[in-house]
Amino acid sequence: DSGVTQTPKHLITATGQRVTLRCSPRSGDLSVYWYQQSLDQGLQFLIQYYNGEERAKGNILERFSAQQFPDLHSELNLSSLELGDSALYFCASNEGDGDIQYFGAGTRLSVL
Amino acid sequence: GESVGLHLPTLSVQEGDNSIINCAYSNSASDYFIWYKQESGKGPQFIIDIRSNMDKRQGQRVTVLLNKTVKHLSLQIAATQPGDSAVYFCAENVLSGYSTLTFGKGTMLLVSP
Repeated sequence: DSGVTQTPKHLITATGQRVTLRCSPRSGDLSVYWYQQSLDQGLQFLIQYYNGEERAKGNILERFSAQQFPDLHSELNLSSLELGDSALYFCASNEGDGDIQYFGAGTRLSVL
Repeated sequence: GESVGLHLPTLSVQEGDNSIINCAYSNSASDYFIWYKQESGKGPQFIIDIRSNMDKRQGQRVTVLLNKTVKHLSLQIAATQPGDSAVYFCAENVLSGYSTLTFGKGTMLLVSP
């Protein structure tokens, strides 16, 4: 168990809808990272938050947004969902910059 | 669970063999590298890391080798076991900047009893 908790484990929704994925980092970790994993794209970095503020941005669509709350948990919001958004979404955390990121078990999103 | 990366390169070995998984990284400025293991239906799990001031680092049954000249990493697993069956990813980072790991495509390791 990495200590990173993601909910829900599975999410099934329809095109055009909006969903929220939640992540609780390891105790003491200030940084949260979001990744998308699809069969043909591998693990793609989406966005990083550090102590409540956005720190780095990757290949995140404008339809997607994230935030990190004062208790350091983070949410990834996906809107106007398309079939191609079906993927595994992972959250990772660490103390800050550099070195090992610890991953949660992921949320499997299916857009029908 | 559903497997990740149906089009990944695959390495098939027999139980007890030594496995070598290779990774070519892209950024010559990268100075920190991590190997992750991802089992079906789970998140990536840290295996071993290495900084660019080292050529080799050993863990329990695993060794990572770094060749900066040709931008190549390898992960050696000794006495491979069926429980080692998973997808293995290398990831690179530039420690002087903000920590955003760039992951390779992954290699699926299949271990037969």
